Amino acid sequence: DIVMTQSPDSLAVSLGERATINCKSSQSVLSSSNNKNYLAWYQQKAGQPPKVLIYWAFTRESGVPDRFSGSGSGTDFTLTISSLQAEDVAVYYCQQYSSTPLTFGQGTRLEIK
Amino acid sequence: QVQLQESGPGLVKPSQTLALTCSVSGGSISSGDSYWSWIRQHPGKGLEWIGYIHYSGSTYYNPSLESRVTISVDTSKNQFSLKVTSVTAADTAVYFCARAPSKSADWFDPWGQGTLVTVSS
Repeated sequence: DIVMTQSPDSLAVSLGERATINCKSSQSVLSSSNNKNYLAWYQQKAGQPPKVLIYWAFTRESGVPDRFSGSGSGTDFTLTISSLQAEDVAVYYCQQYSSTPLTFGQGTRLEIK
Repeated sequence: QVQLQESGPGLVKPSQTLALTCSVSGGSISSGDSYWSWIRQHPGKGLEWIGYIHYSGSTYYNPSLESRVTISVDTSKNQFSLKVTSVTAADTAVYFCARAPSKSADWFDPWGQGTLVTVSS
């Protein structure tokens, strides 16, 4: 199984400031056949199901604000929120879909400082 | 757009079988390359992929649960289902159904709202 490890476990950022969440996979999720990283990011607000923000490591889902961006390749990835808004308080998860079983990171809780 | 809704008992006794159904609306479960998925979240914890099914019947399961899990599809009802046998307290979780766009693009979107299943006597 590919183990996904996020850091930090929790994060407090001031409104308007940048938030950065890291995700590391135990094996590369970069496909040599199509040069794509099989990595998605989700946002889960309290009492709600997760919502996909980004897939293929940096492709933003339709309707997701452009303050959310994904970067990285291979085994190391980052989700960046460029200017934190109050509505961004949530738990964020990365997920690899390079191979089954599909696996998620343990989550990063993002709060307002 | 496609919407998913889980249904089933909220309380299951230990050693019994957990059975949930996901109803799909706003689109056909038989169209395209979508894989219809079950994911669970233990209380206050992270996400665990259980498995998924294509409308053709092709299934993939998490090896950690495979011996106890069956996912099936009913195209006539536009539904798919989950059964977990021999449940214990460790199976207490919120169970989500979700769609993966295809086998080679299996992130999850959309998700159902989730249903809490408690295993207790």
